[in-house]
Amino acid sequence: AQSVTQLGSHVSVSEGALVLLRCNYSSSVPPYLFWYVQYPNQGLQLLLKYTTGATLVKGINGFEAEFKKSETSFHLTKPSAHMSDAAEYFCAVGVQGAQKLVFGQGTRLTINP
Amino acid sequence: DAGVIQSPRHEVTEMGQEVTLRCKPISGHNSLFWYRQTMMRGLELLIYFNNNVPIDDSGMPEDRFSAKMPNASFSTLKIQPSEPRDSAVYFCASSLGMGQGFNEQFFGPGTRLTVL
Repeated sequence: AQSVTQLGSHVSVSEGALVLLRCNYSSSVPPYLFWYVQYPNQGLQLLLKYTTGATLVKGINGFEAEFKKSETSFHLTKPSAHMSDAAEYFCAVGVQGAQKLVFGQGTRLTINP
Repeated sequence: DAGVIQSPRHEVTEMGQEVTLRCKPISGHNSLFWYRQTMMRGLELLIYFNNNVPIDDSGMPEDRFSAKMPNASFSTLKIQPSEPRDSAVYFCASSLGMGQGFNEQFFGPGTRLTVL
């Protein structure tokens, strides 16, 4: 069965600093991997996804993630944090053949001025 | 496109009452998903439909919960009777079918349910 672990329920960075949100997955088959962002009182919005091909995936708002099979990781990064990046971020793995998403517990990102 | 539409956005009810949450998926999408989000359990998939047919309801917590999709443009999630532990944000999402690969799920704004 697929599963996702997000390391750190809360991450705090200064504006302009590097953002790194960690995600490790477990999957017995090649995974589909996703990062979603949730702003307060809103639904989830897709940031980026990995299906096949290039392991470095670029998403919206300057975020990117790298699929590392050897480390079973899909960490999310952004070179320079902006105040508007404050939100909750969810990593998810897609269950092949079933179109089901299994989500991690989420990481709340706080940006300090 | 209006995106996934959910109603109501907020619902406050008393224990024992029936609650019905509604969802209109994106036009043309043929898969629909109901999720529940709580602080304790995070985001959980309750049930999903493909072409209006329930495919997997293993996440439905108990018999008090039921979901229907009478047509391609409407789904309901019903709780009867409701209990305080059902308080959560319920999300509906839709996507393009179950073909090859994995299709992006588009989420609605959610319904915040409070059961007193």
